[in-house]
Amino acid sequence: AQSVTQLGSHVSVSEGALVLLRCNYSSSVPPYLFWYVQYPNQGLQLLLKYTSAATLVKGINGFEAEFKKSETSFHLTKPSAHMSDAAEYFCAVSNTGNQFYFGTGTSLTVIP
Amino acid sequence: NAGVTQTPKFQVLKTGQSMTLQCAQDMNHNSMYWYRQDPGMGLRLIYYSASEGTTDKGEVPNGYNVSRLNKREFSLRLESAAPSQTSVYFCASSREMLAGGYNEQFFGPGTRLTVL
Repeated sequence: AQSVTQLGSHVSVSEGALVLLRCNYSSSVPPYLFWYVQYPNQGLQLLLKYTSAATLVKGINGFEAEFKKSETSFHLTKPSAHMSDAAEYFCAVSNTGNQFYFGTGTSLTVIP
Repeated sequence: NAGVTQTPKFQVLKTGQSMTLQCAQDMNHNSMYWYRQDPGMGLRLIYYSASEGTTDKGEVPNGYNVSRLNKREFSLRLESAAPSQTSVYFCASSREMLAGGYNEQFFGPGTRLTVL
């Protein structure tokens, strides 16, 4: 069975500081990995996705994530946080394409 | 191109009442999904439809039924609502996966359901 673990349900950073949101997965086969963002009272939007083409994946709004097979991790980073980054972030894994398994989410607060 | 649309946006039910949540997509996607989102639990899959004419149970199907009406529409029905079904419900859709490919999901804006 697949699962996704997001370490830290709440993360606070100062504006301009590094954002690091952690995601670890368990999968018996090479997975497809995704990060989604959810702004208040909205649906989920895709930030970026890993599909084995490159281990460092760049997404929208300056976010990127690195796939590390040895650590079974897919952490999300952004060099400089902006107030507009405040949202809930979800990591998800799939290896069949028809079912996704979502983490429990990390709420990001950006302090001015 | 509206993407994935859901109706209604908000709903309040009394215990035992029934209702149907509607979802439609205009991206010609084959697969559609219903999730529920509860605090601290992320998104959990209720049902999905890999293609028109098929439906399958997800992680938490009890108390729900679905209908894939056509390629565009996928509805979720609560036959006898219970307070435990108070949640935010999201519909999503994706292309059919090809061998070696991946399946990005596109989400609707959600339906906020309260069962009293």
